[in-house]
Amino acid sequence: AQSVTQPDIHITVSEGASLELRCNYSYGATPYLFWYVQSPGQGLQLLLKYFSGDTLVQGIKGFEAEFKRSQSSFNLRKPSVHWSDAAEYFCAVGRGYGNKLVFGAGTILRVKS
Amino acid sequence: EAQVTQNPRYLITVTGKKLTVTCSQNMNHEYMSWYRQDPGLGLRQIYYSMNVEVTDKGDVPEGYKVSRKEKRNFPLILESPSPNQTSLYFCASRGLAINEQFFGPGTRLTVL
Repeated sequence: AQSVTQPDIHITVSEGASLELRCNYSYGATPYLFWYVQSPGQGLQLLLKYFSGDTLVQGIKGFEAEFKRSQSSFNLRKPSVHWSDAAEYFCAVGRGYGNKLVFGAGTILRVKS
Repeated sequence: EAQVTQNPRYLITVTGKKLTVTCSQNMNHEYMSWYRQDPGLGLRQIYYSMNVEVTDKGDVPEGYKVSRKEKRNFPLILESPSPNQTSLYFCASRGLAINEQFFGPGTRLTVL
């Protein structure tokens, strides 16, 4: 069965520091991978997605993620975090052409000034 | 504007009182899904629909019903809500040729 693991429940970084959120997945076929962000009291916003091709994917708000098949990982990165990035981040793998998304438990990002 | 809408956004109810959460999309998408979000568990799929009159169970379907009589609408029905269904619910839709799901704003349900 497909599964997604986000090892870090909470992460705190200083404003301006770099960020890496970890995501590991278990999936038998070529995965469709996504990162979503949820600001407090808000819905889900798609940050970026990977289907095939270049393993380094650029997204919105200055985020990027790298797909590493050998490590079954799809880590999210940002070189310089802004206070407005404080939110919960979800990694997800798509099954059946993305009809079903299997989500990780989420990582809550806190940004300290 | 292309969007997925849900109503109500917030609902407090009591055990056993039937309720319906509506979901509508204006993108002519074939696929629609319902998810629930619980702390520490992420989002889990409840039901999904591949087209009108075609629905199937997701990972946590117990206690829920759905129907897809029109392409744009996919209501979630709780016939007899229980406190363990207190959660944040999201509806999502996806077009046949688009491998990306669009989420509604969420419905926060509290069952007392």
